[in-house]
Amino acid sequence: KAGVTQTPRYLIKTRGQQVTLSCSPISGHRSVSWYQQTPGQGLQFLFEYFSETQRNKGNFPGRFSGRQFSNSRSEMNVSTLELGDSALYLCASSLEGELFFGEGSRLTVL
Amino acid sequence: AQSVTQLGSHVSVSEGALVLLRCNYSSSVPPYLFWYVQYPNQGLQLLLKYTTGATLVKGINGFEAEFKKSETSFHLTKPSAHMSDAAEYFCAVSSGRGSTLGRLYFGRGTQLTVWP
Repeated sequence: KAGVTQTPRYLIKTRGQQVTLSCSPISGHRSVSWYQQTPGQGLQFLFEYFSETQRNKGNFPGRFSGRQFSNSRSEMNVSTLELGDSALYLCASSLEGELFFGEGSRLTVL
Repeated sequence: AQSVTQLGSHVSVSEGALVLLRCNYSSSVPPYLFWYVQYPNQGLQLLLKYTTGATLVKGINGFEAEFKKSETSFHLTKPSAHMSDAAEYFCAVSSGRGSTLGRLYFGRGTQLTVWP
């Protein structure tokens, strides 16, 4: 069974641009969560989607948004990028409370 | 509200020595507890989890953890460290139910170094 797939793995943007990250969950998993990982703040929860609905949201500004499609694939978007948005963005799909993580998308903002 | 504290951001052991990584949690509901491992430039891999039932949980790669409710702890151990165990380890807690099912609260991580 294929794992969680995140694309792209690496990307570089400049301040003010926007970025879209994609996540394909494990087949059959309907829940997708997103986390931001930085050296300073550690792993922080962004949001969770279940059956195309946002079920939970962390404490991030409105520049961070996401969505989930009918096939459970999810995207997250960050608009008006700031230097502090440089991070590893991890997606996880879950079944019965157990999260399976992808390898992440490493975003560098210059 | 839930939170996790990992005592010791860096732990160093010799190959063959006991590994002990400490995790204490705070939770207003019966917790689900997890240990994840992260290798450089990779995502998180689940080592083991506690949901209900037996409090001593065995995971992959010879790791185990014991849920101690009275101490609000979930320490990770391995009897004999191997060089390949060098990585960062994260303890996490969730409510494991309802609308917060997919939300984990992570500790700040413990970097494990294994010396030959």
